[in-house]
Amino acid sequence: DIQMTQAPSSLSASVGDRVTITCRASQAITNDLGWYQQKPGKAPKRLIYGANNLESGVPSRFRGSGSGTEFTLTISSLQPEDFATYLCLQWHYYPRTFGGGTKVEIK
Amino acid sequence: EVQLVESGGGLVQSGGSLRLSCAASGFTFSDRWMDWVRQAPGKRLEWVANIRGDGSERYYVDSVKGRFTISRDNAKNSLYLQMNSLRSEDTAVYYCTRALEVWGQGILVTVSS
Repeated sequence: DIQMTQAPSSLSASVGDRVTITCRASQAITNDLGWYQQKPGKAPKRLIYGANNLESGVPSRFRGSGSGTEFTLTISSLQPEDFATYLCLQWHYYPRTFGGGTKVEIK
Repeated sequence: EVQLVESGGGLVQSGGSLRLSCAASGFTFSDRWMDWVRQAPGKRLEWVANIRGDGSERYYVDSVKGRFTISRDNAKNSLYLQMNSLRSEDTAVYYCTRALEVWGQGILVTVSS
């Protein structure tokens, strides 16, 4: 199975900060990767698909980049509603696999 | 508006069976792959299974092969997950998703030992 390793597992940041989260795949997955935001008790919401495509309605402060094995989610200016857990998912291989998540907390 | 609504969860004894359903609306159901994903308490999300729009292809994670069956009824715009020989480690919130893009609200399955 493809292992998806996310870093960091958690971070503290302030409103307005730039935040970067990385996801590393154990094998190359071209750009078959998505980023999700999950809040407590809620279903994940997809923010980015195809590594760098913004879902409709998602603010432009979210940006995805990377291909192959290294991927990055950047939030350019953290907003209060962005405090959540962020996850990556690869769909290049079966079984689909998720990263362990990055919890973004208020500093 | 795309909507996915799961039902059928609950408490079941180890070794028992449960059938989850997902009612889909707001899109052409038969055109789309559908997936089940689960999240056990305190664990990372785990993809469980998916099925092609016409039902001709199905894939499963190894941990459920031979125990779970994904199916669909395109006439009813419904997705199913038949879960047999349930184990305590199957305890999780189960999500119905449209190709991992749009997600239902999730439904809790608790397997008691």
